[in-house]
Amino acid sequence: DTGVSQDPRHKITKRGQNVTFRCDPISEHNRLYWYRQTLGQGPEFLTYFQNEAQLEKSRLLSDRFSAERPKGSFSTLEIQRTEQGDSAMYLCASSPRLAGAETQYFGPGTRLLVL
Amino acid sequence: RKEVEQDPGPFNVPEGATVAFNCTYSNSASQSFFWYRQDCRKEPKLLMSVYSSGNEDGRFTAQLNRASQYISLLIRDSKLSDSATYLCVVKTSYDKVIFGPGTSLSVIP
Repeated sequence: DTGVSQDPRHKITKRGQNVTFRCDPISEHNRLYWYRQTLGQGPEFLTYFQNEAQLEKSRLLSDRFSAERPKGSFSTLEIQRTEQGDSAMYLCASSPRLAGAETQYFGPGTRLLVL
Repeated sequence: RKEVEQDPGPFNVPEGATVAFNCTYSNSASQSFFWYRQDCRKEPKLLMSVYSSGNEDGRFTAQLNRASQYISLLIRDSKLSDSATYLCVVKTSYDKVIFGPGTSLSVIP
């Protein structure tokens, strides 16, 4: 399967713990996006990378959240000192940087539950 | 005001019906527009891009009105398999991608 993969698929943690999620994009895609989705809502943009450069961060991304894409391939999203309000589905998507290539391909997501 | 707004739904329609979804966006500098489909507990998938001239893909027709900052999706001859949440998506000139809250569709036998 050469699609976007995310790990883990599910994570249950206690409030105050740190968690880290990983996203592996489609190999030739140089753009990578992170979103958060809660029940009944559309995905909310968190941040995106072009290669290893983080080009934009949403104001939703508090200082407890950090994302990296050190070699321009896989990316990690870390949440420090988790809060119950962080419970959500965290989606990663990738897209190629080609003229007219607008489609984002999503991974299956990581579902986080903070107790 | 949210950057992308959609009909709140849910829409419950019988098989064979025609259903239309509406979407408005607030950023007049937005450049690209899409409809995505999301099945329950699955990731979103691109349904179709939306072009200024309007475009059709089988039973699906998308329209864009830049002056009114309005996007629509029309589904004709609804199938049970069309049941899903339909997400309106807008991309700004800075490549920021904004999803609407989605409109849920249930096609009933």
